[in-house]
Amino acid sequence: KAGVTQTPRYLIKTRGQQVTLSCSPISGHRSVSWYQQTPGQGLQFLFEYFSETQRNKGNFPGRFSGRQFSNSRSEMNVSTLELGDSALYLCASRRQTGGTGELIFGEGSRLTVL
Amino acid sequence: AQTVTQSQPEMSVQEAETVTLSCTYDTSESDYYLFWYKQPPSRQMILVIRQEAYKQQNATENRFSVNFQKAAKSFSLKISDSQLGDAAMYFCAYLSSNTGKLIFGQGTTLQVKP
Repeated sequence: KAGVTQTPRYLIKTRGQQVTLSCSPISGHRSVSWYQQTPGQGLQFLFEYFSETQRNKGNFPGRFSGRQFSNSRSEMNVSTLELGDSALYLCASRRQTGGTGELIFGEGSRLTVL
Repeated sequence: AQTVTQSQPEMSVQEAETVTLSCTYDTSESDYYLFWYKQPPSRQMILVIRQEAYKQQNATENRFSVNFQKAAKSFSLKISDSQLGDAAMYFCAYLSSNTGKLIFGQGTTLQVKP
């Protein structure tokens, strides 16, 4: 059974550019969540998508956005990159949304902003 | 708002010995899930164990068990017969039934000495 797949695994961008990250959930999982991990702030929730609808959003600026497709794959986009956006971006999937079920994580996308 | 606190930034244990990682949380919700995740240096977040708040019985998964004290809002992880492969960062996480987002503690780095 395939796990959660994130692409790309590594990428380097410069300030002002934009980036798109992709996440393919486990088959049958309809919820996809995104988290940002940095040494200083730890793991922070970005947003969750379920059935192509954003269910919840964390405290991030509007430069961070996402979407989910009908096959449950999700993308997140960060526009006008800043140095502080350098982080490991983790995607997690689960069958349902709400307060049940464990989240299964992908290996992450390591973004470096120069 | 819910918070999760891991007061031990680093812990070490001798191989084959037992170690306990601490976690406390704060919430006004009555229904929620608690998890322990492991993140080895390869960085993929792996689910170690889960606990439903409505269950009084402590969860156990092979060498891993929890001590869930709901009234005290405490959720510690015990690793028995520690192995070198247990060395990793361990995160305690709370799943909100209202928002469906995971709230992580700061993490505890576990070192296993041969």
